Amino acid sequence: GENVEQHPSTLSVQEGDSAVIKCTYSDSASNYFPWYKQELGKRPQLIIDIRSNVGEKKDQRIAVTLNKTAKHFSLHITETQPEDSAVYFCAASMGSNSGYALNFGKGTSLLVTP
Amino acid sequence: DTGVSQDPRHKITKRGQNVTFRCDPISEHNRLYWYRQTLGQGPEFLTYFQNEAQLEKSRLLSDRFSAERPKGSFSTLEIQRTEQGDSAMYLCASSPGHPLYQETQYFGPGTRLLVL
Repeated sequence: GENVEQHPSTLSVQEGDSAVIKCTYSDSASNYFPWYKQELGKRPQLIIDIRSNVGEKKDQRIAVTLNKTAKHFSLHITETQPEDSAVYFCAASMGSNSGYALNFGKGTSLLVTP
Repeated sequence: DTGVSQDPRHKITKRGQNVTFRCDPISEHNRLYWYRQTLGQGPEFLTYFQNEAQLEKSRLLSDRFSAERPKGSFSTLEIQRTEQGDSAMYLCASSPGHPLYQETQYFGPGTRLLVL
């Protein structure tokens, strides 16, 4: 299948600092890019998403940017809090034939220390 | 709770046994997806349904795996002759199929399978 590369695999920041996670994708048919947060033993939860006709989207402390030409997108979390600690996954949609199923990155384990 | 639900939450079985998992999507979501997640990895797509029709299968879905969604509501995933390599979290997700938000997927809590 098409790959989604995600970096870094682990990220440790101090409370109040910003965190940035970057992803690249290869499938030209991808037009939808969600980000999920997964706490230990829990379901992935959608935190923000962006579609290919938009370059940037913000929701309070979370923002996502998309560069479709370069095929990369990023998650920015500002003013991090200990409860932001979790694994974050980026994903890119497959084509409509696959019902826009998702290709996921391998995840970034974010630790926010007080 | 009106979210996606899955049953059972945990399953321990012996190699060679058959197992079946159930997923109940969000009401009126016409798309349903199955993913598999192993430790330290992101979810991997297995298969998807549009209403009752299974429209896409990943090459990860070997012939020991079968999925159904008989009435376009809940879905089942069966694994026959389980192998230790089948041990994973099996996640179900649903999406509304609405023209504006058809891609947005909501995940269930998963079924954690351990094959001994």
